[in-house]
Amino acid sequence: SQQGEEDPQALSIQEGENATMNCSYKTSINNLQWYRQNSGRGLVHLILIRSNEREKHSGRLRVTLDTSKKSSSLLITASRAADTASYFCAVSNFGNEKLTFGTGTRLTIIP
Amino acid sequence: DAGITQSPRYKITETGRQVTLMCHQTWSHSYMFWYRQDLGHGLRLIYYSAAADITDKGEVPDGYVVSRSKTENFPLTLESATRSQTSVYFCASSDGGDRGTGELFFGEGSRLTVL
Repeated sequence: SQQGEEDPQALSIQEGENATMNCSYKTSINNLQWYRQNSGRGLVHLILIRSNEREKHSGRLRVTLDTSKKSSSLLITASRAADTASYFCAVSNFGNEKLTFGTGTRLTIIP
Repeated sequence: DAGITQSPRYKITETGRQVTLMCHQTWSHSYMFWYRQDLGHGLRLIYYSAAADITDKGEVPDGYVVSRSKTENFPLTLESATRSQTSVYFCASSDGGDRGTGELFFGEGSRLTVL
């Protein structure tokens, strides 16, 4: 069963607006990661947040983690057409090298 | 070239045939993974390997076989392909990170169609 579940499944916004995607998971985690996948390509790692961290930034990306609610959010600020892609969260559990992925959010940026 | 490469990128086969998907990485990463991606299911882990000669099952291992005789290679074999194995297969590698699972580096995928 999927550990991470993204919400919404699809999101369309105007270029320049901010995009927020959410991820919920079921059990305690070691870390949570976000990946981007352009159409027909492999996944690319965006950011990793550990279970003892609450917020992390990388360029236009901001990730938050709320372990009490078992949820994370990915904020992309000042969106660009090139941000059009599917975004996946993935969680790892303690003592386990495996990453479990959610079903993804398909983000479309309208120029 | 440095990185992780998968071959073939596209493959059409028939039910019952054996198919092997290749994966090669040049980073000497310890960990390697095989995922399949299907609409509505996201990515599901098939098998993974922590080091040469060490492999373990993931979420959906039935019908697949892996081996890891060398650190850089992690082939995935479908011994008798079925239509339900039509999917896009992704290989990934990781050095494990400093405190457990680190980031994964993905190949470009192998799109397999089983007729």
